[in-house]
Amino acid sequence: QSALTQPASVSGSPGQSITISCTGTSGDVGSYDYVSWLQHHPGKVPKLMIYDVTKRPSGVSNRFSGSKSGNTATLTISGLQAEDEADYYCNSYTSSSTWVFGGGTKLTVL
Amino acid sequence: QEQLVESGGGVVQPGRSLRLSCAASGFSFNYYAIHWVRQAPGKGLEWVAVISYDGTMKYYADSVKGRCTISRDNSKNTLFLQMNSLRSEDTAVYYCARGDNVVGATPSFDYWGQGTLVTVSS
Repeated sequence: QSALTQPASVSGSPGQSITISCTGTSGDVGSYDYVSWLQHHPGKVPKLMIYDVTKRPSGVSNRFSGSKSGNTATLTISGLQAEDEADYYCNSYTSSSTWVFGGGTKLTVL
Repeated sequence: QEQLVESGGGVVQPGRSLRLSCAASGFSFNYYAIHWVRQAPGKGLEWVAVISYDGTMKYYADSVKGRCTISRDNSKNTLFLQMNSLRSEDTAVYYCARGDNVVGATPSFDYWGQGTLVTVSS
């Protein structure tokens, strides 16, 4: 049950687009379309932003999108806004019927 | 609306036990799997365990397997996490989060509680 691999930090200016990668294995990301992305502002409750690789829950801005290729999933945030500054975690179902999170990525809006 | 409220956290000595609870409201609790997720101070989110809607299937992270037991009481809309042989590395905020429903038609991790802090220290 090794954590999925995410970059520790990414940054971008308002209005720009950024991507956050999430690399797993053939036992998790590569085999299942159950990849989610969560946004976590410190001190607050994590918020589901993307599920099943590409789907957005009701109420989540369409500036957030997800994709997957092989063992790597990607979160894209377009039109970056100040309120997007947060920690982002990917998450995947695994072949052991367990779940695994990525190590988290701190997004800084410059 | 959907709500999850954790309780039972506190300061406990290494080697002792603690039971966390998660009270659900605003949705049909008995139709949903429920997860426990934790976050140690300064660290990322770590998945801990999941229980199926009817309590028949339970899965655990390797880090807690054999020391923790997840259970639920659907008559009381409540989830539990019994934690034994606690270690300093178990110190974390523990969240419960809703899983998918019985037909898999809703996403996992769509609703979270506010969390309860467990501190393992002598």
